[in-house]
Amino acid sequence: GENVEQHPSTLSVQEGDSAVIKCTYSDSASNYFPWYKQELGKRPQLIIDIRSNVGEKKDQRIAVTLNKTAKHFSLHITETQPEDSAVYFCAAYASGGSYIPTFGRGTSLIVHP
Amino acid sequence: GAVVSQHPSWVICKSGTSVKIECRSLDFQATTMFWYRQFPKQSLMLMATSNEGSKATYEQGVEKDKFLINHASLTLSTLTVTSAHPEDSSFYICSARDGGGVYTFGSGTRLTVV
Repeated sequence: GENVEQHPSTLSVQEGDSAVIKCTYSDSASNYFPWYKQELGKRPQLIIDIRSNVGEKKDQRIAVTLNKTAKHFSLHITETQPEDSAVYFCAAYASGGSYIPTFGRGTSLIVHP
Repeated sequence: GAVVSQHPSWVICKSGTSVKIECRSLDFQATTMFWYRQFPKQSLMLMATSNEGSKATYEQGVEKDKFLINHASLTLSTLTVTSAHPEDSSFYICSARDGGGVYTFGSGTRLTVV
């Protein structure tokens, strides 16, 4: 089955700095890679996703890059703000069929004002 | 976007009692829903896949007799924690996949067994 590794487990940055979270996956059949943001006690919210036919996707201060050859994808947050503080999860799976997402272990991002 | 409603958002129950959690897809039909358990500061652990009209598929190590799942319609799945014990206290989250293949999560249920 799929195995997703996520690093770092904790990331502390100053407001305005950039933050990068990296994930690797093992199953070459995976073709959909969403990122979720989870605030304490709340549901994970999809913030950005990328499919395997795209190398990079950007949405305002958030971007995701995918390297299919190396089987890794990264979340980039620029100009971080205190409200970006949360736990971020990556996931990988093959969309369609009965595939189920495999989640990374999560990264706790702390943005200091 | 797709909306998944989960109730209750929190529940406190006595040890030995059963608790039912509902997960509804509000604006789409979901033949498959998923139930996760999340411990503090940890990732989402898949418990089972709920299939409409058939038995749920449980992950290894999850007691099917303890965590009863029913998916009676295309928009509703329920998780019943039977004979709950303090170690069952956790955050339970459901999710459903819409027609576009995107997973949407419910708001979660904080279960505390005393």
